[in-house]
Amino acid sequence: RKEVEQDPGPFNVPEGATVAFNCTYSNSASQSFFWYRQDCRKEPKLLMSVYSSGNEDGRFTAQLNRASQYISLLIRDSKLSDSATYLCAVNPGFSGGYNKLIFGAGTRLAVHP
Amino acid sequence: DAGVIQSPRHEVTEMGQEVTLRCKPISGHDYLFWYRQTMMRGLELLIYFNNNVPIDDSGMPEDRFSAKMPNASFSTLKIQPSEPRDSAVYFCASSLGEGQARILYQAQHFGDGTRLSIL
Repeated sequence: RKEVEQDPGPFNVPEGATVAFNCTYSNSASQSFFWYRQDCRKEPKLLMSVYSSGNEDGRFTAQLNRASQYISLLIRDSKLSDSATYLCAVNPGFSGGYNKLIFGAGTRLAVHP
Repeated sequence: DAGVIQSPRHEVTEMGQEVTLRCKPISGHDYLFWYRQTMMRGLELLIYFNNNVPIDDSGMPEDRFSAKMPNASFSTLKIQPSEPRDSAVYFCASSLGEGQARILYQAQHFGDGTRLSIL
């Protein structure tokens, strides 16, 4: 089993739709969690950190479920410009190497008019 | 603010040649990471440094790969000899890492990457 798993998609949604991605992780000691966005032929860019209580940034909401070992990203009112690949990243904690991140393979989102 | 700077942006070379990729982390960041990204394998961590010291090189594929960080503002990833299967995008990233309780310090910031093609 991979340490961090994501549904590869693609998710094809119309503008204005709400879409949610999940990301599961295998190491229960994982310390911190992030969502990155990667555009085609570009570098991953930090979208948001994921806090235990969940957090929101505009149209984006991130949630953490430690009991089930997954994080989620919800995008409301999708825009054409949201089309990208979304990578989740997990810090495995002291046992796995503090300060390194394990990335999922990414979920591709395509928003169409 | 200057981000992570990588060079070259593109490299095309023949099999067997030595390839050197360069990275300048964000000033003040004390962690530096080298990744490789391919369609098949996704984003793989190759090696990372803390305060210029290699901490974990378990992701380095084989002895043909080596990485150094002679000072806080410069790192290299070298492949010698290069092979066609090394073709990928290589990213460098840096983070603060201080104070493990501070989640934002662990977020990594990536350079533009080097697109490497070995013929």
